[in-house]
Amino acid sequence: GGIITQTPKFLIGQEGQKLTLKCQQNFNHDTMYWYRQDSGKGLRLIYYSITENDLQKGDLSEGYDASREKKSSFSLTVTSAQKNEMAVFLCASSRLGGRGEQYFGPGTRLTVL
Amino acid sequence: GEKVEQHESTLSVREGDSAVINCTYTDTASSYFPWYKQEAGKGLHFVIDIRSNVDRKQSQRLIVLLDKKAKRFSLHITATQPEDSAIYFCAASYHYGNEKITFGAGTKLTIKP
Repeated sequence: GGIITQTPKFLIGQEGQKLTLKCQQNFNHDTMYWYRQDSGKGLRLIYYSITENDLQKGDLSEGYDASREKKSSFSLTVTSAQKNEMAVFLCASSRLGGRGEQYFGPGTRLTVL
Repeated sequence: GEKVEQHESTLSVREGDSAVINCTYTDTASSYFPWYKQEAGKGLHFVIDIRSNVDRKQSQRLIVLLDKKAKRFSLHITATQPEDSAIYFCAASYHYGNEKITFGAGTKLTIKP
């Protein structure tokens, strides 16, 4: 078995601030994802990475940067926090070329004051 | 791009009855349809999936049906139990094991005693 850890669990920032969310996985999975979950809107893909140092934009990448410095970790930066970005950010991982199942972390809840 | 619509935003059934959650998708190229469950305060976890080469799949009390002509798929939970209460997300992707998945908005299922 494995686990996905997201830090911090809660993140409070000021409007305009640059904020970083971190994700670690010990599944040894190749692919990692960042999603944003807004109430009533499902999950929207921000960035994903199919291997170390790879980055692919999702549908919601504007206003975000991501970094995959090593296979086990994937970080997401909100470049300038906005009040309408109060949401839960979910990290996930999966085996490249596998059955497609994604394993999710518990999420980071972002509040912008 | 692909769009996935989840028809029921909330659903309430009596314990022991069946629950059905319906989803439709737009892209005929989609061929992999997973379902995820999210319990309160937690990340998502995979429950069952179906590929386009079959129209029915069962795993214990979960049944997934796929109608490719109508671009519709559904999750049936039989003999519901209190622990089935959660938010359920349907999703679709182009290829089996593809890195990118489009999620529906979620259905909050409540099992009443």
